[in-house]
Amino acid sequence: ETGVTQTPRHLVMGMTNKKSLKCEQHLGHNAMYWYKQSAKKPLELMFVYSLEERVENNSVPSRFSPECPNSSHLFLHLHTLQPEDSALYLCASSQGGGGDTQYFGPGTRLTVL
Amino acid sequence: KNEVEQSPQNLTAQEGEFITINCSYSVGISALHWLQQHPGGGIVSLFMLSSGKKKHGRLIATINIQEKHSSLHITASHPRDSAVYICAANNNNDMRFGAGTRLTVKP
Repeated sequence: ETGVTQTPRHLVMGMTNKKSLKCEQHLGHNAMYWYKQSAKKPLELMFVYSLEERVENNSVPSRFSPECPNSSHLFLHLHTLQPEDSALYLCASSQGGGGDTQYFGPGTRLTVL
Repeated sequence: KNEVEQSPQNLTAQEGEFITINCSYSVGISALHWLQQHPGGGIVSLFMLSSGKKKHGRLIATINIQEKHSSLHITASHPRDSAVYICAANNNNDMRFGAGTRLTVKP
């Protein structure tokens, strides 16, 4: 499998559930990103990992918890979410950080009931 | 005012027309990206620019660093070019996105 993959593609969860989003890149890249895209709003950068260390956290609520166990995998753990967290969550990777071209996964469409 | 402004927000064109989408930014950048997002959400990176002009097939991207402005041009537009085009200003690991331009090309 090539490129950037995300699972699941669709997720419906209640506010008390705990779930995780998974991203995997097969490009040998060293940086990975989580983005949120809400309806009618621009993309928002949530987290950046470079060489498995978090280098950017744009004031994201603690109910979103990222994990990067190795350079190929990135998780976003979700707990006690709110309906306004419903959005498309996109993962991306790049060779390095600092402006390199990013390659995006297909996204996970999350609905919080 | 957003740090990255795109215009127009929506654009409808006839097949074959020349398309221009504009992006102005107010932040410092290390690179300016143009992305294409198709219905369903998938995003493809079209260009990464730090100066001058790049061309890929029917797509051309230009940037003027002094004026903090970039344009994306599509020559001989085709219905398959219909998508949302997003401009993004990258300052190291800090990416700021425009709201996108929804392009519809009619046959």
